[in-house]
Amino acid sequence: QSVLPQPPSVSGTPGQRVTISCSGSSSNIGNNVVHWYQQLPATAPKLLIFRTSQRPSGVPDRFSGSKSGTSASLAISGLQSEDEADYYCAAWDDTLNGWVFGGGTKLTVL
Amino acid sequence: EVQLVESGGGLAQPGRSLRLSCKASGFIFDDYAMHWVRQLPGKGLEWVSGISWDSGRIGYAESVKGRFIVSRDNAKNSLFLQMNRLRPEDMAFYYCIKGGGAQQPGYFDVWGRGTLVAVSS
Repeated sequence: QSVLPQPPSVSGTPGQRVTISCSGSSSNIGNNVVHWYQQLPATAPKLLIFRTSQRPSGVPDRFSGSKSGTSASLAISGLQSEDEADYYCAAWDDTLNGWVFGGGTKLTVL
Repeated sequence: EVQLVESGGGLAQPGRSLRLSCKASGFIFDDYAMHWVRQLPGKGLEWVSGISWDSGRIGYAESVKGRFIVSRDNAKNSLFLQMNRLRPEDMAFYYCIKGGGAQQPGYFDVWGRGTLVAVSS
């Protein structure tokens, strides 16, 4: 059982907008920033969103992140086939004194 | 270009040891924290350990505390993970990661390709 529950899967058609949720608590998301990672098939994860809503250079602005209270969300607009991947949220946990990840969400582009 | 190349993975028997190495290039190594994160094949991610730029601050996941030791050699741009008393549940891909952000805890900025550790008798 992940410390940061995420839906196991989401799907959408090209051009659609999808969101992936990440649920936490006051010791992690509620008190710290959230980061998101994208893992394309058979590759290492890659930083997608850092500090809740910032995009590294090279990440399209179709990807956006937000947070409200103890939950965070990743939104992907204008869905493309190359967005098919696993997406993970992560945050520092003040109680565990370590990093916690979401269980991951598999995005399928229909 | 930032590059992180892990090595040292392989097959080990339960109770034995392995030492992972990560050679970094393309950035000023001793300016950044470094981390190890693992992933069981087909499964989710788990943070294993992190070390600050000067080795002054070190952290471990509860699952490896007391068995794994992280270290770094800034003169050689290298990160290490000494894995002792290995258990079957330690079997995973281990990723070396460059930390990001000036303020800690930062984030996982750049990931290596990973090295596979298998634990079986």
